[in-house]
Amino acid sequence: GAVVSQHPSWVICKSGTSVKIECRSLDFQATTMFWYRQFPKQSLMLMATSNEGSKATYEQGVEKDKFLINHASLTLSTLTVTSAHPEDSSFYICSARDRGQGGDSPLHFGNGTRLTVT
Amino acid sequence: DQQVKQNSPSLSVQEGRISILNCDYTNSMFDYFLWYKKYPAEGPTFLISISSIKDKNEDGRFTVFLNKSAKHLSLHIVPSQPGDSAVYFCAASKRAQKLVFGQGTRLTINP
Repeated sequence: GAVVSQHPSWVICKSGTSVKIECRSLDFQATTMFWYRQFPKQSLMLMATSNEGSKATYEQGVEKDKFLINHASLTLSTLTVTSAHPEDSSFYICSARDRGQGGDSPLHFGNGTRLTVT
Repeated sequence: DQQVKQNSPSLSVQEGRISILNCDYTNSMFDYFLWYKKYPAEGPTFLISISSIKDKNEDGRFTVFLNKSAKHLSLHIVPSQPGDSAVYFCAASKRAQKLVFGQGTRLTINP
């Protein structure tokens, strides 16, 4: 089946530093990847849609200068949390849709990254 | 504006019995619905989906029912197994656009 690899699985950083999270589709190509954030016991909230070769589309309320997204190839998207603060601590999950399947094919998710900002 | 709602935060079912997870939505433009299963500290895993042209889709022990008039879908798991214990999210989208997730229901299967 389609595999999405997300790295790192967990990271601890100090306030003010930046953290990069990678999302790779291992056995399929994805023109679009999605970045979600999940707070404890809450739903997955879409942060932004990452489009290969173009700018990401951010959801309302998500700071694009704080959460930098780069989708450099059909198999890689990165999310960089810049100048991280403790309130950015969360579980970040990426997902991708196989461009070889129809638009209604399910999203495949990475295993998530647990970010803790101290 | 919570367009997809799972009103039961938790559900406990005895092993071997049927588990029924419910989901309601408000946006009548949604035409594709999915269920995902999630274990702690892992990403969601796709379970089963249904398009709005159908009212039922079955895959092994999992069946999803869609009632468009009521804007309601449900996931049936039968028989329930201990490995089914997880958080289940329903999700919806319109015309292959972004997915909107419900809050999740934690299912516990008791031996």
